[in-house]
Amino acid sequence: KQEVTQIPAALSVPEGENLVLNCSFTDSAIYNLQWFRQDPGKGLTSLLLIQSSQREQTSGRLNASLDKSSGRSTLYIAASQPGDSATYLCAVVDDYKLSFGAGTTVTVRA
Amino acid sequence: GAVVSQHPSRVICKSGTSVKIECRSLDFQATTMFWYRQFPKKSLMLMATSNEGSKATYEQGVEKDKFLINHASLTLSTLTVTSAHPEDSSFYICSAIDSGSRETQYFGPGTRLLVL
Repeated sequence: KQEVTQIPAALSVPEGENLVLNCSFTDSAIYNLQWFRQDPGKGLTSLLLIQSSQREQTSGRLNASLDKSSGRSTLYIAASQPGDSATYLCAVVDDYKLSFGAGTTVTVRA
Repeated sequence: GAVVSQHPSRVICKSGTSVKIECRSLDFQATTMFWYRQFPKKSLMLMATSNEGSKATYEQGVEKDKFLINHASLTLSTLTVTSAHPEDSSFYICSAIDSGSRETQYFGPGTRLLVL
């Protein structure tokens, strides 16, 4: 059974600092990996999707890397802003089923 | 972009009653939808896979008689929590796969259920 772990569980940084969020998974036989953002009491917003054959994806200030062999993915958020405060979830996709980590709750202080 | 809606967004009910939650794909057809449950500060847990026109596939440990799923059309799946109890209080989220692309799951905004 796939297990997904996200470290740290919470992170607080001053505005402008770069964010590094980590995700690890136990079974490397994945179809793809997704990063999501969740605001309190809300649903999920997809941020980035990395196919298993890719090593990274970029969208604006966001960059996600994937190392299947070591079972790791990292989400980088450059020049953080207070609006980036949210919970970030990674999910590993296998046969259309998503296995989620518990998330990293980020607070960006103005 | 593809939009998935859920209704209601929030529901409060008395213990013992049944609650129905709807999940709709608004601008695409979805032969497959998923239902997740999320506890506070925990990850989303997949409950079941809903397939249009056939029985849902439940994950291990999920009571199929407790959580009834119906996927009667290509744009609608419903989750009915039967004889709800306080421990069923949770955040329920659905997702849908676009039958055309089958690439990405699109998530609904979630339904907050509180059972008193």
